[in-house]
Amino acid sequence: NAGVTQTPKFQVLKTGQSMTLQCAQDMNHEYMSWYRQDPGMGLRLIHYSVGAGITDQGEVPNGYNVSRSTTEDFPLRLLSAAPSQTSVYFCASSSGAGRGYNEQFFGPGTRLTVL
Amino acid sequence: DAKTTQPPSMDCAEGRAANLPCNHSTISGNEYVYWYRQIHSQGPQYIIHGLKNNETNEMASLIITEDRKSSTLILPHATLRDTAVYYCILGGSNYKLTFGKGTLLTVNP
Repeated sequence: NAGVTQTPKFQVLKTGQSMTLQCAQDMNHEYMSWYRQDPGMGLRLIHYSVGAGITDQGEVPNGYNVSRSTTEDFPLRLLSAAPSQTSVYFCASSSGAGRGYNEQFFGPGTRLTVL
Repeated sequence: DAKTTQPPSMDCAEGRAANLPCNHSTISGNEYVYWYRQIHSQGPQYIIHGLKNNETNEMASLIITEDRKSSTLILPHATLRDTAVYYCILGGSNYKLTFGKGTLLTVNP
């Protein structure tokens, strides 16, 4: 299993540009989520999904859109990038089964810089 | 979600046990205690979790006090590769994890 994969690893955008961060998992996990991590800070939840067709907002959803058309994929879209969105973005997934509700598997991250 | 309190940093000598404390005095009855770690620039890695009883796996041991208001993560024989930020997180059944700033554990040779 590849686990959780994220693309791209690095990205530089100009203010106002749009882009999609890709996340995929091959573990048949129902739960997927996106976090951002700013320097010296813990991770903050952006959006999450408990299954295909179901998404919800996390702690910091403004400026981001998500959709979940398949179990495997959970892309994060930045509609109009701003310098405040410069961060490292992590995708995570979980089976959510039994005692493993929050045993989440994280991807390697996408490092985004908005100029 | 209830909050946790961890020391910002700790040091440990290589080969010795590392004991990382966490206070969670407002923990709810159905909340688990989860520990994750993040090695520099990588995605967080799950370590262990527990509800009431002490737990052990191949990575670490988790000791939870009887009143569940605090816990300790124990790395029995710390190595240089264990240098990381360790997060103590409370989790219920809603899938959400709330990360604080964690404890930076530095293992020294």
